[in-house]
Amino acid sequence: EAGVAQSPRYKIIEKRQSVAFWCNPISGHATLYWYQQILGQGPKLLIQFQNNGVVDDSQLPKDRFSAERLKGVDSTLKIQPAKLEDSAVYLCASSPGTSGEGGYNEQFFGPGTRLTVL
Amino acid sequence: SQKIEQNSEALNIQEGKTATLTCNYTNYSPAYLQWYRQDPGRGPVFLLLIRENEKEKRKERLKVTFDTTLKQSLFHITASQPADSATYLCAPDPTGGGNKLTFGTGTQLKVEL
Repeated sequence: EAGVAQSPRYKIIEKRQSVAFWCNPISGHATLYWYQQILGQGPKLLIQFQNNGVVDDSQLPKDRFSAERLKGVDSTLKIQPAKLEDSAVYLCASSPGTSGEGGYNEQFFGPGTRLTVL
Repeated sequence: SQKIEQNSEALNIQEGKTATLTCNYTNYSPAYLQWYRQDPGRGPVFLLLIRENEKEKRKERLKVTFDTTLKQSLFHITASQPADSATYLCAPDPTGGGNKLTFGTGTQLKVEL
């Protein structure tokens, strides 16, 4: 079974530029997550999708970050414009269940995209 | 506010010994708690899940305990090996659940020969 795919693996941009990350979850997984992991910290949830609807985006800085999940499969996360403090690893994860099941599903993570903002 | 604390300092142990990692949480009562392993340059990998009504869970050399009174989970690796060296993250489900997780900062474990 293929895992969660992410691209690019690395990205270096200047502040105020735009950047986009792509994620392809495990086939059939209903729930998709984007996390931000700053060096030395645990992953922080940015947004959670269930199929193609948003379940939780309370920690997404909506003035500069946006995300979409078209047709309930692939997802893109965009930052526009980027700030120095956005330097981090952006992780995508998927899980088979939905938020209403209470099944406490494990999450499957991709390798992440390391973003450096100069 | 909800807070999750893990040992911030790296844990160094000798091969063959038991490693014990601590996860403390405050200001909420998770229904379950998950442990993940993260290697450098990689995403976290799921290890174990324990529910609030379970005191202990085992998987091969791994053991997790969950004390809802102390608001603490302990993660044990017995007969540790250098290949166990990694960062271990605890993730209780936050208030409201919803199949999402809040991660601690992680504890780095180094197993030396």
